[in-house]
Amino acid sequence: QITLRESGPTLVKPTQTLTLTCTFSGLPLTTSGVAVGWIRQPPGKALEWLTVIYWDDVKRYSPSLESRLTTTKDISKNQVVLTMTNMDPVDTATYYCSQRRGSSWSRWGQGTLVIVSS
Amino acid sequence: SFVLTQPPSLSVAPGQTARITCEENNIGSHTVHWYQQRPGQAPVLVVYDNTDRPSGIPERFSGSNSGNTATLTINRVEAGDEADYYCQMWESINDHVVFGGGTKLTVL
Repeated sequence: QITLRESGPTLVKPTQTLTLTCTFSGLPLTTSGVAVGWIRQPPGKALEWLTVIYWDDVKRYSPSLESRLTTTKDISKNQVVLTMTNMDPVDTATYYCSQRRGSSWSRWGQGTLVIVSS
Repeated sequence: SFVLTQPPSLSVAPGQTARITCEENNIGSHTVHWYQQRPGQAPVLVVYDNTDRPSGIPERFSGSNSGNTATLTINRVEAGDEADYYCQMWESINDHVVFGGGTKLTVL
């Protein structure tokens, strides 16, 4: 069974860098075609795709946030890490990691709320 | 880049049919997926590849995609179907992902 779980700080200050970790199981990120992505959702607003990382370490980023985002994977720990620089209150959101299957997001973590405030 | 347009809200009586649309020019030439998100919960994939249902999703949920409109249809709507629904597609040319703005389904 595939599970994903997000972890990281609940509160960050403006201008700080956010680091979130997605820990997964049952999802061999070394297998061809496997990918994990990050999607966020500000309170009361729509889902917004951020990034995806593939089994072969190819990475894609949302054009509007690309300059601030970095995604990496640690196969030995079954983890994908998202880094977002220069955090702003508008970045307050629930951040989800998800397994990409085909071109859909088939399994999701429960999400982690990040509040940006001084 | 693509912009997927959904109606912000839809109200349906129990037992009736809900049709949630997702519009973009020539969306019928792309693959669309649909997610259900109940309050306080993570999204759940309910239709993928335009028309397919993941295991465990009731047959009442179905999808179609043609021309400029993709549609999620929920037959015999139940109180438990009350949720936000999002469409999503993949921009293959640049390998980016796009979500619609979401539709809040209210069961009267």
